[in-house]
Amino acid sequence: KAGVTQTPRYLIKTRGQQVTLSCSPISGHRSVSWYQQTPGQGLQFLFEYFSETQRNKGNFPGRFSGRQFSNSRSEMNVSTLELGDSALYLCASSEGAEGQPQHFGDGTRLSIL
Amino acid sequence: QQPVQSPQAVILREGEDAVINCSSSKALYSVHWYRQKHGEAPVFLMILLKGGEQKGHDKISASFNEKKQQSSLYLTASQLSYSGTYFCGTLSGSARQLTFGSGTQLTVLP
Repeated sequence: KAGVTQTPRYLIKTRGQQVTLSCSPISGHRSVSWYQQTPGQGLQFLFEYFSETQRNKGNFPGRFSGRQFSNSRSEMNVSTLELGDSALYLCASSEGAEGQPQHFGDGTRLSIL
Repeated sequence: QQPVQSPQAVILREGEDAVINCSSSKALYSVHWYRQKHGEAPVFLMILLKGGEQKGHDKISASFNEKKQQSSLYLTASQLSYSGTYFCGTLSGSARQLTFGSGTQLTVLP
């Protein structure tokens, strides 16, 4: 089975712009979660989608949003980018039931200039 | 609330043992363990469920003390390939998503 695929791998943006990141989960997985990873804050949960609905949400501002499509692929959008948004954004998929093992993609490295 | 991992970093020689702890102030339903190598994605190691038994594969095992809301990861006879950052993720009754600790950086030297 192919693993979790995230695109693009690297992105450079400037403050004020917006960005969309993509995640294709493992085939058959219906849950997709997004995390922000920074050296200072570690792995911070953004949100989780299951069957095209947001099931859980972390403590991030409304500038961070996401969606999931009928084929379980997910996108994450960040608007009005700030310097502090520079991070590695990781997507993880699981079969669906809460608490199941999560399988991570290699992430998208976002740099804000 | 984020679980607390200790130690923050550990350096050991190949063949030595290590223990990584993960503590929470909340009543836990399950604890997940992941390892992340530099520049790579976190990789799932194992899950411990409330009321479940100690888990393990190869020379890596873990336990879950429900009374203390603490989990420990045991690495026996460490290999060079064990180097990386180990994260615990906890699932509690009120938080339906994994909350990760800040990680423990493990370095195994030849």
